[in-house]
Amino acid sequence: DTGVSQDPRHKITKRGQNVTFRCDPISEHNRLYWYRQTLGQGPEFLTYFQNEAQLEKSRLLSDRFSAERPKGSFSTLEIQRTEQGDSAMYLCASSLGGEGPYNEQFFGPGTRLTVL
Amino acid sequence: AQKVTQAQTEISVVEKEDVTLDCVYETRDTTYYLFWYKQPPSGELVFLIRRNSFDEQNEISGRYSWNFQKSTSSFNFTITASQVVDSAVYFCALSEGSGNTPLVFGKGTRLSVIA
Repeated sequence: DTGVSQDPRHKITKRGQNVTFRCDPISEHNRLYWYRQTLGQGPEFLTYFQNEAQLEKSRLLSDRFSAERPKGSFSTLEIQRTEQGDSAMYLCASSLGGEGPYNEQFFGPGTRLTVL
Repeated sequence: AQKVTQAQTEISVVEKEDVTLDCVYETRDTTYYLFWYKQPPSGELVFLIRRNSFDEQNEISGRYSWNFQKSTSSFNFTITASQVVDSAVYFCALSEGSGNTPLVFGKGTRLSVIA
């Protein structure tokens, strides 16, 4: 499978616990995006990377959220001290990115987080 | 500020009917891209169509067609001869600049095609 993969697909946690999600982009895609989708809403942008550089993080929902892409390949999104309001689908997308002509974003299957 | 509005929350049609999904966008950029994505019950977002701000030519691709009008900031999407497999949530999205920027999505329109 050469698409974007995300792990885990489902995560149930108790309020106050930390969770980490992983995204593996399509090989050679240097741009990676994280979005969050709550029930009945469209995806909402969180942060994105060009290789290992985080280009935008002001849209992360709070300082409990952090993301990294240490080697410019896979990325992790961590939520500390989870709250029930964090329950959502977390989507990852990748693209060739960079300047120039538009490069399509390919989305992964998402990680569904449930905070009890 | 960027904004995408999909006024239709839910639409139900009978199989083989044509259906148009509405999308209105806001942007201050003169260069931007518009998209339609489909999200079936499985949850994965599937790219359908893309149009850039410099090309208002409307096209048809199979059963899909779109109507892009800059004068009204609208980017409507039509499915001809709908099928049950078209049942999904459809999202309109906007990307400013070259397009290699984060997408701004509308809230989606849930389409139900009834056999």
